[in-house]
Amino acid sequence: EVELVESGGGLVQPGRSLRLSCAASGFTFDNYALHWVRQAPGKGLEWVSGISWNSGGVGYADCVKGRFTISRDNAKNSLYLHMNNLRAEDTALYYCAKDMGPEMYGGNSAGLFEYWGQGTLVTVSS
Amino acid sequence: SYVLTQPPSVSVAPGQTARITCGGNNIGTKSVHWYQQKPGQAPVLVVYEDSGRPSGIPERFSGSNSGNTATLTISRVEGGDEADYFCQVWDRSSDHLVFGGGTKLTVL
Repeated sequence: EVELVESGGGLVQPGRSLRLSCAASGFTFDNYALHWVRQAPGKGLEWVSGISWNSGGVGYADCVKGRFTISRDNAKNSLYLHMNNLRAEDTALYYCAKDMGPEMYGGNSAGLFEYWGQGTLVTVSS
Repeated sequence: SYVLTQPPSVSVAPGQTARITCGGNNIGTKSVHWYQQKPGQAPVLVVYEDSGRPSGIPERFSGSNSGNTATLTISRVEGGDEADYFCQVWDRSSDHLVFGGGTKLTVL
């Protein structure tokens, strides 16, 4: 059974940093791309970032590019999101999601979110 | 950037058919994916690549995509289908993954 468990969320002041983690199990981790998707309170879904199976390809939403960095450790079956210079508008529930293929987009069965974790809440406020 | 437009809400009686649309410029040339999100829960993939159905998703859920509109069709709607539904595509021009604004399905 695929399981994705996010951690690292919390209350942080504007301008500060936070690192989110996602521990994965139940599938061959290094065969699949992974993503972070967020949802602000009462709002819709927003793709934040994605990374291919071997970290050769990464992508970011315009609103986080230059502030957030995605990474993965295939030896530890873990995905990360380093968030710098946080803003109030970054407040959201952050989901880790497994893609259906090895690339985060551009190929067959790529660029979609096959399985999701339960999310970790990030609140940016002074 | 590429914009996906969904109606904010759709209402349907139990046993009837619900159709949720997702509009976008030439969306028929893209692969569209659909997610169901119930209150307090993580989203679940219900249709992928326009009309594919993941294992465990009832046959009542189906999808189509042509021209400027993709459609998620839910047949024989049940109370448990009440949820928010989101469409999603890859925008090749920006290399971004894009969601529609979501549609709240209410079962009357």
